[in-house]
Amino acid sequence: EVQLVQSGAEVKKPGESLKISCKGSGYFFTSYWIGWVRQMPEKGLEWMGIIYPGDSDTTYSPSFEGQVTISADKSISTAYLQWTSLKASDTAIYYCVRRVTVLTLDYWGQGTLVTVSS
Amino acid sequence: QSVLTQPPSVSAAPGQRVTISCSGSSSDIGNNYVSWYQQLPGTAPKLLIFDNNKRPSGIPDRFSGSKSGTSATLGITGLQTGDEADYYCGTWNSSLSVGVFGGGTKLTVL
Repeated sequence: EVQLVQSGAEVKKPGESLKISCKGSGYFFTSYWIGWVRQMPEKGLEWMGIIYPGDSDTTYSPSFEGQVTISADKSISTAYLQWTSLKASDTAIYYCVRRVTVLTLDYWGQGTLVTVSS
Repeated sequence: QSVLTQPPSVSAAPGQRVTISCSGSSSDIGNNYVSWYQQLPGTAPKLLIFDNNKRPSGIPDRFSGSKSGTSATLGITGLQTGDEADYYCGTWNSSLSVGVFGGGTKLTVL
């Protein structure tokens, strides 16, 4: 069974750093792109970027370029989303997704709620 | 402001049919497949339709999709109260090499 299991909810202060994770199982992790999608409170879905764990090829949405870093460790079938300096506006649920084709996102993680508040 | 345009809300009675539209451009819908996602309250989105009109295993045939030009449509027949959710269309923007989504449509089954 294919699963994407994300790390737990985080509460951080503005300016702090954070790295959340997404562990894939039940399939060949290096054969599918893993994307990240943001959902701000009571808002819609926003594409952040995507990584191919096989060779770490990564692309970002222009809206998120330079704001976050997407990475992957294929040895443990895990993708990451990282911030160096969080802002209150980063408060959202972040989903990792498996991309089958452009743009078919067939499996979603359960979401990680990130709350940034002083 | 979302790249793809969806109506904010639609409603219909149980057993009825409803359609949800998704409008884009030649850079996205016009040259790429469209997928649809259902997000039940408090849960992660789930793939409902891919490649414009295909259903993943386990999705009932009450759900259908179509695409024409730069627009796509999700249809739901035999509405059930359990269909109350937010529905999102998604596709790829070939110019920017990014995924794009609609703003979401809230379905209310009266």
